Amino acid sequence: AQKITQTQPGMFVQEKEAVTLDCTYDTSDQSYGLFWYKQPSSGEMIFLIYQGSYDEQNATEGRYSLNFQKARKSANLVISASQLGDSAMYFCAMREGSGGSYIPTFGRGTSLIVHP
Amino acid sequence: EAQVTQNPRYLITVTGKKLTVTCSQNMNHEYMSWYRQDPGLGLRQIYYSMNVEVTDKGDVPEGYKVSRKEKRNFPLILESPSPNQTSLYFCASSRMSGANVLTFGAGSRLTVL
Repeated sequence: AQKITQTQPGMFVQEKEAVTLDCTYDTSDQSYGLFWYKQPSSGEMIFLIYQGSYDEQNATEGRYSLNFQKARKSANLVISASQLGDSAMYFCAMREGSGGSYIPTFGRGTSLIVHP
Repeated sequence: EAQVTQNPRYLITVTGKKLTVTCSQNMNHEYMSWYRQDPGLGLRQIYYSMNVEVTDKGDVPEGYKVSRKEKRNFPLILESPSPNQTSLYFCASSRMSGANVLTFGAGSRLTVL
């Protein structure tokens, strides 16, 4: 079974609108971390945002926020006021672990296209 | 500048010709890892290392070798490359504490003919 599920292979959004990219995860650990990375067409992987399992507040970084719903095991990325430069692949990832395993697992990604 | 450097960035080779993709980080990170990225499959972990001389298999280790003789370096070795190893490869590193955010190299696009 996949530990990270991204159900949207592709998403389209109009410039300046908000968009939500879905991510659900599966773990029995109490301590874990959730991440979102962006991969533009140039290929590099860029860290966007992190949420720890014990963090009570949703993480925010500029126009990015992580909608963390622990009971539902979801960690959706919300991009507000989309820009053309937001067109990219987006990967959700999870690091499980107590005991120092710290091995991250990635989802299959969502391709976001921002239309002018 | 804090970074992960991997080389070569692009490589075309032939089946069976041994090759090494180098990876070096300057952040004194304990954790290093190799991923391959294929369309529709996301990033899949090949091998990882939590410290010098400590390596372990990820999800897709077949056909690959790694070594961690120094903390900063984590080369990926393809002893006898095959066409199904044509892929985009990423090296990444992180601390083993806190948020453990991965820092990625720029990627190495490998084609095996």
